[in-house]
Amino acid sequence: DAMVIQNPRYQVTQFGKPVTLSCSQTLNHNVMYWYQQKSSQAPKLLFHYYDKDFNNEADTPDNFQSRRPNTSFCFLDIRSPGLGDAAMYLCATRASGSSSTDTQYFGPGTRLTVL
Amino acid sequence: AQSVTQLGSHVSVSEGALVLLRCNYSSSVPPYLFWYVQYPNQGLQLLLKYTSAATLVKGINGFEAEFKKSETSFHLTKPSAHMSDAAEYFCAVNRPGSARQLTFGSGTQLTVLP
Repeated sequence: DAMVIQNPRYQVTQFGKPVTLSCSQTLNHNVMYWYQQKSSQAPKLLFHYYDKDFNNEADTPDNFQSRRPNTSFCFLDIRSPGLGDAAMYLCATRASGSSSTDTQYFGPGTRLTVL
Repeated sequence: AQSVTQLGSHVSVSEGALVLLRCNYSSSVPPYLFWYVQYPNQGLQLLLKYTSAATLVKGINGFEAEFKKSETSFHLTKPSAHMSDAAEYFCAVNRPGSARQLTFGSGTQLTVLP
C-alpha cells in the first residue's frame, strides 16, 4: 500500500543534542509538509517543500531545519532541542496539479521527548 | 485569512446517540474544508472533505458533514456513535495558493460512553 512512513515512532534526546526525524513516502507526491503538534493542541505547520523549493513558516524557529534529498524522503533536523520542543512531529504529503484532490496524507508521527 | 473555529473542546455522547461536532470557518475565498480524525499516538486520517461540489459530503466510518455558506459552517455528524469513534477530531481549511497549507481548528475530543 502506498503510504507515508515516519521513523522513529518515538525519539528521546537530551537537551541541546541535535536530532533528526525521518519521513518517507511511496505516494510520489511532490509536496511534503512538517507539522509540530504539542499535547492537546492542533498541528502547527513548520515548513513545506513544493518539489525542491523550501518554504518556511514565518514563525518557525531557526532551530528547526529541513532537508529533502529526493522526492521520497524528507528530514526534520532540530539543531539544539529545548524542553519546549517536546511534541509529536507529523509529516504529510500532497499531490499538486490539475488532478490534485487537495488532500494531505499524514504519517503516524514521531513523538519526541527531550530530557 | 482562512481560519476555522471548533466549538467545544470536549464532547461526550452515549453509544448509539447522535454525534455532532461543530466547525465554523472564515474565508475570503470559497474554501476547501476537511475533517480529520486522530487516535492516540497516531497521525491524522482524513474523514471527509468539501471541495465545492456537493454541499452534503459523506465520509468514512459513517460520518458526514454539510457545508452551509449562509452559516459559514461545516459541522460533522454521525447518526449513531460507536465506541471506536472516541478520538480527537480536527476541522481544517486550506489556504489559497500553490502550497495549499492547512490551518486546523483547535480540535474536539470525542468521548463515547457505554
